[in-house]
Amino acid sequence: GQQVMQIPQYQHVQEGEDFTTYCNSSTTLSNIQWYKQRPGGHPVFLIQLVKSGEVKKQKRLTFQFGEAKKNSSLHITATQTTDVGTYFCAGPRYYKYIFGTGTRLKVLA
Amino acid sequence: ETGVTQTPRHLVMGMTNKKSLKCEQHLGHNAMYWYKQSAKKPLELMFVYSLEERVENNSVPSRFSPECPNSSHLFLHLHTLQPEDSALYLCASSQDAMWTGQSKNIQYFGAGTRLSVL
Repeated sequence: GQQVMQIPQYQHVQEGEDFTTYCNSSTTLSNIQWYKQRPGGHPVFLIQLVKSGEVKKQKRLTFQFGEAKKNSSLHITATQTTDVGTYFCAGPRYYKYIFGTGTRLKVLA
Repeated sequence: ETGVTQTPRHLVMGMTNKKSLKCEQHLGHNAMYWYKQSAKKPLELMFVYSLEERVENNSVPSRFSPECPNSSHLFLHLHTLQPEDSALYLCASSQDAMWTGQSKNIQYFGAGTRLSVL
């Protein structure tokens, strides 16, 4: 069945360093969503990418959808302590979104 | 406040107990979901309801029984659970169950119920 894998599973960075998480699907995706879950919180929608090769930016966050629409990345420039949490990608399949395994980010002040 | 409310926030139950988790959404959405979140599987989809009809049962044991009496309410009835069922149970809703390209079909999650089975 369809699988969505994310790497790395964990990432510790010093505040101010950049961070990237990668999402890979075993099948082509019509679109991909990204969510963020703060420690002790619930997943919150960040963005959706639809077009092949699409790049979207939200302040220090840059999201990219691969040309083949099977992979995606989230890059954070100059991390801040407010960026801590787990980042999930999610791709649709029929009546559900398949969530990736998540990347847990810790930012050291 | 996401518009999705879950109760209770915390629940401790014995293996022989029967309890229910409740989810209510105030967003006018047509689809509702139950997820299980644990250290082993970060976000594991359990059930999907679209317009009160169950459209997905992701090989969930029968000791978990969902109920969707209307499009705003979703329950998860628990019976004879095992300690390995201890986890955070998240409810979510979205405009529709299937992405049609007409909207982003964002999932809005509740705060979750932290369940401990003793």
